[in-house]
Amino acid sequence: QQQVKQSPQSLIVQKGGIPIINCAYENTAFDYFPWYQQFPGKGPALLIAIRPDVSEKKEGRFTISFNKSAKQFSLHIMDSQPGDSATYFCAARRGGADGLTFGKGTHLIIQP
Amino acid sequence: GAGVSQSPSNKVTEKGKDVELRCDPISGHTALYWYRQSLGQGLEFLIYFQGNSAPDKSGLPSDRFSAERTGGSVSTLTIQRTQQEDSAVYLCASSWARGTDTQYFGPGTRLTVL
Repeated sequence: QQQVKQSPQSLIVQKGGIPIINCAYENTAFDYFPWYQQFPGKGPALLIAIRPDVSEKKEGRFTISFNKSAKQFSLHIMDSQPGDSATYFCAARRGGADGLTFGKGTHLIIQP
Repeated sequence: GAGVSQSPSNKVTEKGKDVELRCDPISGHTALYWYRQSLGQGLEFLIYFQGNSAPDKSGLPSDRFSAERTGGSVSTLTIQRTQQEDSAVYLCASSWARGTDTQYFGPGTRLTVL
């Protein structure tokens, strides 16, 4: 079964807009939630990550919002730019485990 | 410094052949991971190494898949008797140590099984 559900599959936003990508999980043993950005032909690169003891984390134009009770977390990209066009993956890792469980990805296009 | 490197970048093989995919982690990283990225399944965890041992092989999809790591550095993922459903991008990642958060990914090997 899919342990991390990501939506939407694809998203088109005008430059300067705020794309929002959502993820939901079931396993309460997850204790680390990263977001990865992937450009065509490249491997995923860590963008920002959060642990469940905080509700929000900001790094530059990227913000993670985390709702532990709802078992949901989301990525917001402020002042989006065409260079942000990429595929974004949310992920989760169970405490004591090693591999990441990924969502299926969101293909984001920022139109100039 | 250099990032994670993988070779070959592309591999085309015929159904039934064996293939070997190589990963060179970032120097000094003791933890190494293999993932598979396919259109239908997204990114799937395959196997994890700490040093030369693989405490977690839970993601290997069948006994046709195996991996080893030598000298605490280079790792090889071997797929025997390849099937068309094995076609995917195989990604390697490394991190400083077990339990450290950031995994650094290589560019992947695109495997096509004809």
